[in-house]
Amino acid sequence: GQNIDQPTEMTATEGAIVQINCTYQTSGFNGLFWYQQHAGEAPTFLSYNVLDGFEEKGRFSSFLSRSKGYSYLLLKELQMKDSASYLCAFMDSNYQLIWGAGTKLIIKP
Amino acid sequence: ETGVTQTPRHLVMGMTNKKSLKCEQHLGHNAMYWYKQSAKKPLELMFVYNFKEQTENNSVPSRFSPECPNSSHLFLHLHTLQPEDSALYLCASSPKRGDQETQYFGPGTRLLVL
Repeated sequence: GQNIDQPTEMTATEGAIVQINCTYQTSGFNGLFWYQQHAGEAPTFLSYNVLDGFEEKGRFSSFLSRSKGYSYLLLKELQMKDSASYLCAFMDSNYQLIWGAGTKLIIKP
Repeated sequence: ETGVTQTPRHLVMGMTNKKSLKCEQHLGHNAMYWYKQSAKKPLELMFVYNFKEQTENNSVPSRFSPECPNSSHLFLHLHTLQPEDSALYLCASSPKRGDQETQYFGPGTRLLVL
């Protein structure tokens, strides 16, 4: 079967670093996506990993381990505007995105 | 960001009404998607169109009827909805279906069924 899991909610402090984890199980894998979604707005693409390893993109970075079915999104130098939901999704063998329920990130001053 | 637009942004309808949601993408993509997003639940894929042809219908009730007249426009026709259909309906597009392509989303239509 297929499943994907991420924490429901996380809290972090402005200026700090936070890591949002995502675990998944699937027999067919075509990459893992992270999206950011502010309340009432469109999900916006953050990152895509299909090979193992770490990819850095400014303050946001993502990591993937295919053997462990594990990914994380790392946010550095947190700003208040980073308060949002972060959606993890893997693409299965049929190129369909299987979504997690999202992690609501709350940034405190 | 106006790559994918959706109208209306908010909709309130009774269970006997008929309404339509509209999506338009200005990205030159050939695949378009309808998703349902309910609070604290994963996005649920409803329909997929690839080059104007419907390729997937994920067991969606017939009270939801999609239409894709061309690669830039996608509609979701609604009739005799139920209160549990209240949700955020998101449209997305990608270059094509069947590849490792990123999907780009519109802002959604917040639907409330009374």
